[in-house]
Amino acid sequence: GAVVSQHPSRVICKSGTSVKIECRSLDFQATTMFWYRQFPKQSLMLMATSNEGSKATYEQGVEKDKFLINHASLTLSTLTVTSAHPEDSSFYICSARWGNTEAFFGQGTRLTVV
Amino acid sequence: SQQGEEDPQALSIQEGENATMNCSYKTSINNLQWYRQNSGRGLVHLILIRSNEREKHSGRLRVTLDTSKKSSSLLITASRAADTASYFCATDGNNLFFGTGTRLTVIP
Repeated sequence: GAVVSQHPSRVICKSGTSVKIECRSLDFQATTMFWYRQFPKQSLMLMATSNEGSKATYEQGVEKDKFLINHASLTLSTLTVTSAHPEDSSFYICSARWGNTEAFFGQGTRLTVV
Repeated sequence: SQQGEEDPQALSIQEGENATMNCSYKTSINNLQWYRQNSGRGLVHLILIRSNEREKHSGRLRVTLDTSKKSSSLLITASRAADTASYFCATDGNNLFFGTGTRLTVIP
């Protein structure tokens, strides 16, 4: 299947700093990218959906000023966690797809804020 | 809630037995997908079933879809210890929402 690369796989940052997570579709053009957050032993919660060239659509309860999403090209979307706090520690996963085809997932980023 | 519901939440079976997981959802869909996740890792796509399909097979996997009941099931036949993982259904309308997941343990 298609490949989605997510980087970094793990990051530890200090409270108050910002962290950027990249999601790249390597062998296809992604018209839509999804960003999810997953707490331990729980399901994936959709945070936002981004379409190339337009602003991301955030799910209810997700702070858009805290979780900045940029989908600047058909192969790259970034999630920036701004002014991170320990409660932002989580597993973040992106997925990408072309049109309404199946979505392909990155391997996830484990963020730890200390 | 954005999530569909899956049951059971946890399932423990002996190697060689079949495992059935169910998924119910709320909104209309274009397709429904099943994913597997090993602990703390990314997701692996297992199978996609479109809204106009009723059943699909892939190896030891069998998926059914009943759009009138807004439900789907995933059957894993002849389970193996390596099948131990969490399994999620994901409903695909315009967005991709995940169910609550079933944690499957296959005992050797």
